[in-house]
Amino acid sequence: DVKVTQSSRYLVKRTGEKVFLECVQDMDHENMFWYRQDPGLGLRLIYFSYDVKMKEKGDIPEGYSVSREKKERFSLILESASTNQTSMYLCASSFGGIGTNEKLFFGSGTQLSVL
Amino acid sequence: AQKVTQAQTEISVVEKEDVTLDCVYETRDTTYYLFWYKQPPSGELVFLIRRNSFDEQNEISGRYSWNFQKSTSSFNFTITASQVVDSAVYFCALSEGSGNTPLVFGKGTRLSVIA
Repeated sequence: DVKVTQSSRYLVKRTGEKVFLECVQDMDHENMFWYRQDPGLGLRLIYFSYDVKMKEKGDIPEGYSVSREKKERFSLILESASTNQTSMYLCASSFGGIGTNEKLFFGSGTQLSVL
Repeated sequence: AQKVTQAQTEISVVEKEDVTLDCVYETRDTTYYLFWYKQPPSGELVFLIRRNSFDEQNEISGRYSWNFQKSTSSFNFTITASQVVDSAVYFCALSEGSGNTPLVFGKGTRLSVIA
């Protein structure tokens, strides 16, 4: 089975801290995604990547950056955490190149609280 | 621009009742893919089905069935004889077949099945 692993299930940080959310997949998937999930808003795409070193902005990239140095790892970075970034963060991966529309495999999520 | 609307925010049914979750989508592409995901209380989204725009056949998988109608831009999901284990948040999603277009999700429908 495909496994998408997010490093932390719960995380509490202070305003202004630099935060790293790590995601690793073990199925050699080309595509990786970061979404945030908020009540009443569903899932919103932050960043995605179709290949190593590649990154594309999603719908809500402000306040975030990403890094994909290796194919299996996709990191989400909050340069200076703010309270409005308190959310559930979901990482996902999928097989195939651009536009292949394959199904996503999700991690269990990281519930981030910024105080 | 692509968009997915799940008008039902929350639904509550008694066990063994049938329930239909609505999904309406918008896209300008003739090639696109529709998905349903289930998010149980554990948090990890689980893939249920993927359907491409050229296949309007309805699908049945056990107690689950999907009704795809291009004429009304809908992709509705029915659970027959609901069970408590069906309690979850269900997301409908759309991916356009052209270009770099990741999944766009609806806001989700929370289904509660009461024993």
